[in-house]
Amino acid sequence: SSELTQDPAVSVALGQTVSIKCQGDSFRIYFATWYQQKPGQAPVLVVYGENNRPSEIPDRFSGSRSGNTCSLTITGAQAEDEADYYCSSRDSNDHNQEIFGGGTKLTVL
Amino acid sequence: QVQLQESGPGPVKPSQTLSLTCTVSGGSINRGNNYWTWIRQPAGKGLEWVGRIHSSGSTEYNPSLKSRLSISLDTSNNHFSLRLSAVTAADTAVYYCARGIFWTGSSPIFYMDVWGKGTMVTVSS
Repeated sequence: SSELTQDPAVSVALGQTVSIKCQGDSFRIYFATWYQQKPGQAPVLVVYGENNRPSEIPDRFSGSRSGNTCSLTITGAQAEDEADYYCSSRDSNDHNQEIFGGGTKLTVL
Repeated sequence: QVQLQESGPGPVKPSQTLSLTCTVSGGSINRGNNYWTWIRQPAGKGLEWVGRIHSSGSTEYNPSLKSRLSISLDTSNNHFSLRLSAVTAADTAVYYCARGIFWTGSSPIFYMDVWGKGTMVTVSS
């Protein structure tokens, strides 16, 4: 199966902009889906498709794709955005499978 | 709105079969183009997609689990279930159920928009 690679940890100053990246061959075909997970809680859908957000997700969250890399960008990071972020995708080797990246721990300073 | 709730046995002994149920409220499990999904997460580690079942009953499984895994629908009780046989300590994890949606955009993908709170499963003798 394919793999998705994320940086283990990223930090951002309060109010600044940060991009969390996810790399994988699957993104030459598919867009990423992004989930936010806070300690002790279930994941929450943040961004899916080209750049779509559930209605309850603030518009400071956005998604993009370039080549084999998808990015989740937070414009004006808030303290409550500190969490683990996971990308996922359909597997380009087996399109009926889903794969997750290893997750990125975002720290808001 | 749709809500999901996992239920399970708690501790399971090695080599036994793990059975989990996800009860769906606020919507019918056999209507709509929904993909009822299981995901698991070992303590301190990342998410792993386990498998899913469409509201029509068709299934797709993680290849690494396929030989031990079965996911089914129970439309009379509006829930779906996971059975994982011959468990080992490596199957110890929080198990989440979720509703999957097939997004038919420029590049069709799946996303999971509603998640249960998760249930901890420990495999130990």
